[in-house]
Amino acid sequence: NAGVTQTPKFQVLKTGQSMTLQCAQDMNHEYMSWYRQDPGMGLRLIHYSVGAGITDQGEVPNGYNVSRSTTEDFPLRLLSAAPSQTSVYFCASSYSTTRNSPLHFGNGTRLTVT
Amino acid sequence: AQSVAQPEDQVNVAEGNPLTVKCTYSVSGNPYLFWYVQYPNRGLQFLLKYITGDNLVKGSYGFEAEFNKSQTSFHLKKPSALVSDSALYFCAVRYSGAGSYQLTFGKGTKLSVIP
Repeated sequence: NAGVTQTPKFQVLKTGQSMTLQCAQDMNHEYMSWYRQDPGMGLRLIHYSVGAGITDQGEVPNGYNVSRSTTEDFPLRLLSAAPSQTSVYFCASSYSTTRNSPLHFGNGTRLTVT
Repeated sequence: AQSVAQPEDQVNVAEGNPLTVKCTYSVSGNPYLFWYVQYPNRGLQFLLKYITGDNLVKGSYGFEAEFNKSQTSFHLKKPSALVSDSALYFCAVRYSGAGSYQLTFGKGTKLSVIP
């Protein structure tokens, strides 16, 4: 049981480049989400999905796109990378969309934009 | 808007002593409250949650948390700290009613357990 798998673990981009951070879960979880973690700021929600074909914005969605074509996968796309997007990105899922369902996190992708 | 405050950036405690990591929250309506732990270079792991009912919630690895509605607090506790408890701890809140799925995290508290 792999849980939540994120790839790549590390990535360096130049300003203006685009890329996709991959997230896959094998637990048949309905809810999936993306967070970014910055020092002294905790985790901030970027986008989330309550099921295949349904996505919504979180607290800091600008500069990011998501899609959810299958239950398992929830990729995060950076359209034109900026230094302000240097961060550690976490994908998280939960079995249920009920609001008390705890999240399962991947191990993160550390992104540096130069 | 909902928010979480973890007033201490760092907590140091001797091994074997009790530990407390503080959390206060603000939310319109009834909250769901969570504690997560993060070890270096890893994602967050769920420790425990408060939904409703008993104000003392027990979780993984001997941790517990006390919900206090009047003080809007949800402090994490453990009777006897272990060196292996050293990690970054996050409190989080989510409004229990309809609407946004936003889960708001605090900034985290680094716990260091000294042998």
